[in-house]
Amino acid sequence: DADVTQTPRNRITKTGKRIMLECSQTKGHDRMYWYRQDPGLGLRLIYYSFDVKDINKGEISDGYSVSRQAQAKFSLSLESAIPNQTALYFCATSEGKGDWSTDTQYFGPGTRLTVL
Amino acid sequence: AQSVTQLDSHVSVSEGTPVLLRCNYSSSYSPSLFWYVQHPNKGLQLLLKYTSAATLVKGINGFEAEFKKSETSFHLTKPSAHMSDAAEYFCVITGGFKTIFGAGTRLFVKA
Repeated sequence: DADVTQTPRNRITKTGKRIMLECSQTKGHDRMYWYRQDPGLGLRLIYYSFDVKDINKGEISDGYSVSRQAQAKFSLSLESAIPNQTALYFCATSEGKGDWSTDTQYFGPGTRLTVL
Repeated sequence: AQSVTQLDSHVSVSEGTPVLLRCNYSSSYSPSLFWYVQHPNKGLQLLLKYTSAATLVKGINGFEAEFKKSETSFHLTKPSAHMSDAAEYFCVITGGFKTIFGAGTRLFVKA
């Protein structure tokens, strides 16, 4: 079984709809991240959480919100989806036992979101 | 401030020939540097990382990278390409509470 799972894997929605992407992990890691990937731009950090009570904005948080329901679960919401949020979204985790900058991140398989 | 630049968006090699994927960085901190690989329709997987220990870092599947501070580079190499190496590769820098991904280099391997 995969250590980091994302649901759904694919989603097509319409402009203005509320969307939630879910991430679950069985690695027991404290740190979790949400990224979006656009062609030619690499991955950009949306939000990150170093533990259940700690939520931080990343590089491109506008239009997104997150919820850390438990150590193992981290959800990303688009309150009112717009077409330029069409992208591939990745959840990642890291162990978080020391200097976070040296952490290896473990990625889920991604969610492909299309906003029409 | 930090940045990372992958110098080639696409690299094409023949099977059995060497691979070189180039990455330059800029950082105000002592950076940690990573290479991740993304196979089609998959998430990213760590190949190797540099965290201020040995400057020559060996990773999985025969890949290695050398941290060169004087050249601000962290190029990824492999002596002999295999068909299964065809994927997209990302150079990543962390430090100062930021993680920055390069734009990616797509590696094509010809039979």
